[in-house]
Amino acid sequence: ETGVTQSPTHLIKTRGQQVTLRCSSQSGHNTVSWYQQALGQGPQFIFQYYREEENGRGNFPPRFSGLQFPNYSSELNVNALELDDSALYLCASSLKAGETQYFGPGTRLLVL
Amino acid sequence: GNSVTQMEGPVTLSEEAFLTINCTYTATGYPSLFWYVQYPGEGLQLLLKATKADDKGSNKGFEATYRKETTSFHLEKGSVQVSDSAVYFCALRMEAGGTSYGKLTFGQGTILTVHP
Repeated sequence: ETGVTQSPTHLIKTRGQQVTLRCSSQSGHNTVSWYQQALGQGPQFIFQYYREEENGRGNFPPRFSGLQFPNYSSELNVNALELDDSALYLCASSLKAGETQYFGPGTRLLVL
Repeated sequence: GNSVTQMEGPVTLSEEAFLTINCTYTATGYPSLFWYVQYPGEGLQLLLKATKADDKGSNKGFEATYRKETTSFHLEKGSVQVSDSAVYFCALRMEAGGTSYGKLTFGQGTILTVHP
């Protein structure tokens, strides 16, 4: 059974640019959640997708957006990057919303 | 809103010492509780969980008991190893539905370093 995978592993961008991060969910999982983990902090919930629809959103501005595809993989898009967007972005999948979440290794984003 | 508070770190222990990492929570209702572990340069791994009061989660020698009366879920291990060095996160999850979506709310993490 393949676990949750994310790409790329590392990324460097400059302020104002746009970035797309990708996540493949664990086999059989139809729910994907995205979290932002700033250095030295716990992860913060960004949003969740269930069967290709946004199922809930945390306290993040609209420039953070996402997609989920028919195979349940997902993208996180961030527009107009700011320095404070530098963080580890974690994707987690679950059998359905409310079930145990399993995390990928994360994408480390650095905004200069 | 819901929140999780973990003991201040970092925690430094010698191998075979007893470990306790305190975790308390605030929630409207009865959440499920989790401990996740993050090794250097990696994502989060589920360590153990408990879904109702008085449940004990256990895995790899780690244990935590869901205490509703003290709103706590302290992590313990009787004899730590160097390989246990990592960051430990306590988290809660409300039942999915309404505005919850089953999202995880994390504490700030506790860094554990175990010396030989």
